[in-house]
Amino acid sequence: EAQVTQNPRYLITVTGKKLTVTCSQNMNHEYMSWYRQDPGLGLRQIYYSMNVEVTDKGDVPEGYKVSRKEKRNFPLILESPSPNQTSLYFCASSLWLPILTGELFFGEGSRLTVL
Amino acid sequence: AQTVTQSQPEMSVQEAETVTLSCTYDTSENNYYLFWYKQPPSRQMILVIRQEAYKQQNATENRFSVNFQKAAKSFSLKISDSQLGDTAMYFCAFMITGNQFYFGTGTSLTVIP
Repeated sequence: EAQVTQNPRYLITVTGKKLTVTCSQNMNHEYMSWYRQDPGLGLRQIYYSMNVEVTDKGDVPEGYKVSRKEKRNFPLILESPSPNQTSLYFCASSLWLPILTGELFFGEGSRLTVL
Repeated sequence: AQTVTQSQPEMSVQEAETVTLSCTYDTSENNYYLFWYKQPPSRQMILVIRQEAYKQQNATENRFSVNFQKAAKSFSLKISDSQLGDTAMYFCAFMITGNQFYFGTGTSLTVIP
């Protein structure tokens, strides 16, 4: 089954404790991206990646890091989480044809709470 | 700056009726794609419909259709014969050719039996 898998789905952590949210897709998609969803703000893009070893900042990259060492994986790293990073996070992937057609396949979301 | 505005935070519609969700956007780009995504209570985001900016013909997908007005930068979604399963948050989005997606703040639609 074609899917984007995020882990963990739910996490409560404390300020400053490094954490990683993993994202994996099995569709051989070149493009992967991370979003955060906050009430009244919709989805905002954090980082995206066009292919292995190619990553770029989205609209709200501060406080986050990503890596793309393998095509299928695109982890989101919070080196020193703060309460303002409490949010619902989505990973998404898409095929590059050679341009994006826009059909993003989303993971089920990861609810992160930073105390 | 690229922006997407959904001015209706919440809407409701009677089952089997028609409802239109509005969306306006702003970009200086000429080539872009527009989308409506649906997020049901399960949280899984699903693509509803897509429109290429260079196409004048409005996209349709079964009960879903759009009214794309490029000059006005307007992209509304019409849902005909509304069903209970249409209850969800709907996000308007656009992508400039290349990389970045821009989403609106969403419209919460409730279909009333």
